[in-house]
Amino acid sequence: DTAVSQTPKYLVTQMGNDKSIKCEQNLGHDTMYWYKQDSKKFLKIMFSYNNKELIINETVPNRFSPKSPDKAHLNLHINSLELGDSAVYFCASSPPGGLTDTQYFGPGTRLTVL
Amino acid sequence: GESVGLHLPTLSVQEGDNSIINCAYSNSASDYFIWYKQESGKGPQFIIDIRSNMDKRQGQRVTVLLNKTVKHLSLQIAATQPGDSAVYFCAENFSGGYNKLIFGAGTRLAVHP
Repeated sequence: DTAVSQTPKYLVTQMGNDKSIKCEQNLGHDTMYWYKQDSKKFLKIMFSYNNKELIINETVPNRFSPKSPDKAHLNLHINSLELGDSAVYFCASSPPGGLTDTQYFGPGTRLTVL
Repeated sequence: GESVGLHLPTLSVQEGDNSIINCAYSNSASDYFIWYKQESGKGPQFIIDIRSNMDKRQGQRVTVLLNKTVKHLSLQIAATQPGDSAVYFCAENFSGGYNKLIFGAGTRLAVHP
């Protein structure tokens, strides 16, 4: 299947731990994103990478560090997890071309910090 | 600040009726708009998009209308079905923003048989 995939789908962890979420897309897209969706369903962009280069970095704590080993993968590492990090995290990708393009989303990773 | 003005109300419709979901956007420089559908436990799914050089675009059972004068976007769903029940988001983008989508808060559509 051609898609944006994320692992794990659910992640439950204690405060202070470090965790990673992985994202892969096999759509041949050049640009990948991380979004955070809070408990009120509000979706906000965190990061964007184009061909492994960081192009969008919203006001996100330094504890969040994206890593793009190649243009098909964008992983999100979170250090020293806090209660407020509990949310659903979505990865997305968009095709090469213009500066405005449709973004295709993964299924999400629900992170619960206890 | 940047915002796409949707609170999270619920729109309840009867199966077979037409649904209209509205959205107000704030950035007059936005030139690309997308409607997404998010079902429970899933990621946002692309429904339809429209660029600012158009005021209407039709898909299968869906129509998006764009009124740039009042910065308003709407999604019309014809003959609404139970499978249309979901949260719908509009998102805006502008070409100077590195494809950064700004999402509204969403509208929950509940379709009753």
